[in-house]
Amino acid sequence: QKEVEQNSGPLSVPEGAIASLNCTYSDRGSQSFFWYRQYSGKSPELIMFIYSNGDKEDGRFTAQLNKASQYVSLLIRDSQPSDSATYLCAVDYGQNFVFGPGTRLSVLP
Amino acid sequence: EAGVAQSPRYKIIEKRQSVAFWCNPISGHATLYWYQQILGQGPKLLIQFQNNGVVDDSQLPKDRFSAERLKGVDSTLKIQPAKLEDSAVYLCASIPMVASGYNEQFFGPGTRLTVL
Repeated sequence: QKEVEQNSGPLSVPEGAIASLNCTYSDRGSQSFFWYRQYSGKSPELIMFIYSNGDKEDGRFTAQLNKASQYVSLLIRDSQPSDSATYLCAVDYGQNFVFGPGTRLSVLP
Repeated sequence: EAGVAQSPRYKIIEKRQSVAFWCNPISGHATLYWYQQILGQGPKLLIQFQNNGVVDDSQLPKDRFSAERLKGVDSTLKIQPAKLEDSAVYLCASIPMVASGYNEQFFGPGTRLTVL
């Protein structure tokens, strides 16, 4: 049974702070890892993917992967109110995707 | 490039009625997914097609749900009869055929189903 867990929310951070979102997965056969942002009433949109151990940075976003610990995280620097959304972690098992339950982030002005 | 199309966007039905959803993936995308997303939860895979063949339907409630992708292009998901717990957003996603690298899913806007 492939499971993906995320830190329970909601997570509230003040504007300008760093938001840290965490995800763990159960199956070591996973190949790549995705972070999606989902605004209320909208479909998920991809913001980051990572498949190698270490960090990957894209603008204000940094994804971190540790395959030994089966852990992937997303850091959002200089959080903005527009970052308020639900963040979904997804694990790719060879074109078979398993999603976590999501973490709702609120960035307070 | 046109995105993933879904219709209808909203549907309200009574329990025990039937409903069908349609999805047209991005042109050339071989793999198509149907997900069910209940409010406050992550998307749950219902069925995965590659071209017109089923790759994974292990979580599809086959007593009431059916899906087809006859010509390997667009797809239809049907619920018959609907139950209250089927109220959810039904998302369609597709990915291109890739030999290596990451598989980015492209999502449609979803169909919000309310069963009364």
